Amino acid sequence: EPEVTQTPSHQVTQMGQEVILRCVPISNHLYFYWYRQILGQKVEFLVSFYNNEISEKSEIFDDQFSVERPDGSNFTLKIRSTKLEDSAMYFCASSEEASPYNEQFFGPGTRLTVL
Amino acid sequence: GNSVTQMEGPVTLSEEAFLTINCTYTATGYPSLFWYVQYPGEGLQLLLKATKADDKGSNKGFEATYRKETTSFHLEKGSVQVSDSAVYFCALIDSGAGSYQLTFGKGTKLSVIP
Repeated sequence: EPEVTQTPSHQVTQMGQEVILRCVPISNHLYFYWYRQILGQKVEFLVSFYNNEISEKSEIFDDQFSVERPDGSNFTLKIRSTKLEDSAMYFCASSEEASPYNEQFFGPGTRLTVL
Repeated sequence: GNSVTQMEGPVTLSEEAFLTINCTYTATGYPSLFWYVQYPGEGLQLLLKATKADDKGSNKGFEATYRKETTSFHLEKGSVQVSDSAVYFCALIDSGAGSYQLTFGKGTKLSVIP
């Protein structure tokens, strides 16, 4: 069964460093998403991406964040200068279409720890 | 704005017990409602969904009915198994404004003991 994969599973970085979180969405999906969950809090939407453009983003997704689809398979989230409060579990998701009728399939997550 | 509130966990049940996890929502439009489940070490998986009032979503013995009058979408299962131990997330998509982001509750951890 096709699945969304994410690497690494755990990333530790120093405050102020850049990190890139990687995701491989399901191959025939066209819509891609990043969510995050700070420990003990809700899963929060960050950004959605379609046709090489951001289609929607939340207030959390400020200038420190960027997303890219560098090739036909990867979808990345970059945090330019990490802060302590960026420590969270980051989930990538993908769907065939942007619709309540199309399931968003989630990866297992990358746990980011900022020291 | 939109929000989802679900009962605090953790919930611990014996095998074959009845499960209810409460979920209520606030939405500006007419949302679609979802339950996602996260098993240990895995990503979130869609468990069931309902897209309009009075719809019942069901899967793997779990059920939830979209109640517009009470803005609720409670998850139920008649007889839980140890394999149901996981974290359960209630969520909504309020697509009326062209948004397809999922808005989640905090999650409820369920532990089923033999």
